[in-house]
Amino acid sequence: NAGVTQTPKFRVLKTGQSMTLLCAQDMNHEYMYWYRQDPGMGLRLIHYSVGEGTTAKGEVPDGYNVSRLKKQNFLLGLESAAPSQTSVYFCASSYPGGFNEKLFFGSGTQLSVL
Amino acid sequence: GQQLNQSPQSMFIQEGEDVSMNCTSSSIFNTWLWYKQDPGEGPVLLIALYKAGELTSNGRLTAQFGITRKDSFLNISASIPRDVGIYFCAGQNSGNTPLVFGKGTRLSVIA
Repeated sequence: NAGVTQTPKFRVLKTGQSMTLLCAQDMNHEYMYWYRQDPGMGLRLIHYSVGEGTTAKGEVPDGYNVSRLKKQNFLLGLESAAPSQTSVYFCASSYPGGFNEKLFFGSGTQLSVL
Repeated sequence: GQQLNQSPQSMFIQEGEDVSMNCTSSSIFNTWLWYKQDPGEGPVLLIALYKAGELTSNGRLTAQFGITRKDSFLNISASIPRDVGIYFCAGQNSGNTPLVFGKGTRLSVIA
């Protein structure tokens, strides 16, 4: 029972470098999300997707891009990393049929930008 | 955007004590939720509330949906070390909008 799997778990980047975070879910969920978690700031929504081929901006989308080419995968890209993007990133998915409250989260990716 | 004010930000308690935390909003929500995040893991749903005034329990945890629909409360009875973590409240206006999360309450339990 894999659920939501995020790779990598840890990454260190230099300012200006690019990278892609991968999220995969095996629960056939329609909706997928990317959040970032910073101390004292809680969980903030970056981008989300309501189905294969669709994406939408969340609360803090600047500096990030996403793609949902396959239903089970949701990619988060940083084209030119900045120190302000140092954070823990969480992917989540939810049941089909809407923004269901039962979000299933991955275990996170710790990203440091130097 | 909408914001949820969660308090306290952190708390240290003795094992066996009861815990109370709350979440308030300036706007109405139709669903209130409580998640727990264990250290090094993603959040996990604890309790979901769907009606104003609703009181729901999950083991030693009890949550209430405020009458005004602008607040929610979570109580943990007889705390144990395994209760350590960050507790997040979350609200949802309708089925067409993503959840809004509070900033979390960090709970530490002293054995």
